Amino acid sequence: NAGVTQTPKFRVLKTGQSMTLLCAQDMNHEYMYWYRQDPGMGLRLIHYSVGEGTTAKGEVPDGYNVSRLKKQNFLLGLESAAPSQTSVYFCASRTGGEQFFGPGTRLTVL
Amino acid sequence: AQSVTQPDIHITVSEGASLELRCNYSYGATPYLFWYVQSPGQGLQLLLKYFSGDTLVQGIKGFEAEFKRSQSSFNLRKPSVHWSDAAEYFCAVGAHGDYKLSFGAGTTVTVRA
Repeated sequence: NAGVTQTPKFRVLKTGQSMTLLCAQDMNHEYMYWYRQDPGMGLRLIHYSVGEGTTAKGEVPDGYNVSRLKKQNFLLGLESAAPSQTSVYFCASRTGGEQFFGPGTRLTVL
Repeated sequence: AQSVTQPDIHITVSEGASLELRCNYSYGATPYLFWYVQSPGQGLQLLLKYFSGDTLVQGIKGFEAEFKRSQSSFNLRKPSVHWSDAAEYFCAVGAHGDYKLSFGAGTTVTVRA
């Protein structure tokens, strides 16, 4: 049981490049989330999904897109990366009110 | 809208001393409350949670928290800290039927020998 995994762990992009972050969970959870963590700001919700094929905007969705084609996977896309998207990204899945977090992806946009 | 305030950005405590981290929340309904810990370079690990019932909640690693509705607080305590408790701690609030959690900005704990 791997829990929540994230790929990649680290990435450096140039401004304007695109990339996709992958989150996978093997706990059969319906709800999944993408957060970004910035110093002094805690975790802020980017997008979330309440089930396969559904997505919804969170607190800071601009510049990001998501897809939930399979229940176990939740993808976060950056179509045209900007330096303001330099951050640590965390994925989480949820059951019974409790969220379980992945190890994070550290993204730097130059 | 729900919100969480952690008044202390950084706390330094001596090993063996007691620790208390403050958390205040704003929420219209009965909240679900959580404390998470994040060690450097790691993801978030749940320390404890409160949904209902006994207002004093026991968690992992010797931590406990007390829900005080009248003060809208959910403070985290540990009687005697260990060097391994050095980390960042996050308080979060959610509710039944609400898919989302709101996180505080975090409190960084430094443990000195």
